[in-house]
Amino acid sequence: AQSVTQLDSQVPVFEEAPVELRCNYSSSVSVYLFWYVQYPNQGLQLLLKYLSGSTLVKGINGFEAEFNKSQTSFHLRKPSVHISDTAEYFCAVSRTLTSGTYKYIFGTGTRLKVLA
Amino acid sequence: ETGVTQSPTHLIKTRGQQVTLRCSSQSGHNTVSWYQQALGQGPQFIFQYYREEENGRGNFPPRFSGLQFPNYSSELNVNALELDDSALYLCASSLEGQGTFGSGTRLTVV
Repeated sequence: AQSVTQLDSQVPVFEEAPVELRCNYSSSVSVYLFWYVQYPNQGLQLLLKYLSGSTLVKGINGFEAEFNKSQTSFHLRKPSVHISDTAEYFCAVSRTLTSGTYKYIFGTGTRLKVLA
Repeated sequence: ETGVTQSPTHLIKTRGQQVTLRCSSQSGHNTVSWYQQALGQGPQFIFQYYREEENGRGNFPPRFSGLQFPNYSSELNVNALELDDSALYLCASSLEGQGTFGSGTRLTVV
């Protein structure tokens, strides 16, 4: 069975500092990996995704993530955070359903709090 | 191109009542998935509809049911509401790939 573990429930960081949000997954098959952001009282917005190819994936808002198959990790990074990055971040894997479509399996989320 | 629209945005129901949540999928998307996000948790897969048929279901009881219409919009119905059903319900539509999420419906059961 596939699962996703987000190792930190909360990450406080000062503005303009770098940040890394950790995500580990378990799967016996090839996976597609995603990071989503959720601002208060809003839905989920896709930050970036890994489907295949280069293990370093660049997303929106200056975020990037690296797929590490040997460590089964997909950590999210940003070199310099802004106050506006304060939000909940979810790591997810996709799982194929019978029709060839996908569902997501999400981690429990990491709350990023950017401090002035 | 319109995105995914969910209605209502908020509602309050009494334990034991029934509720219907609605989702208008993004133009051209034939697949709709529903997720439940309890407070402080990640979204949990409820079920998916693909071309008007249920195409996969998570660990939710039968009182959670759904429909998909010919225009690919969808409804989520929950009968006999329980306090633990209080959550943000998210809908995602897709076409042969990743989903686009709506802003959700916040359901409070009292």
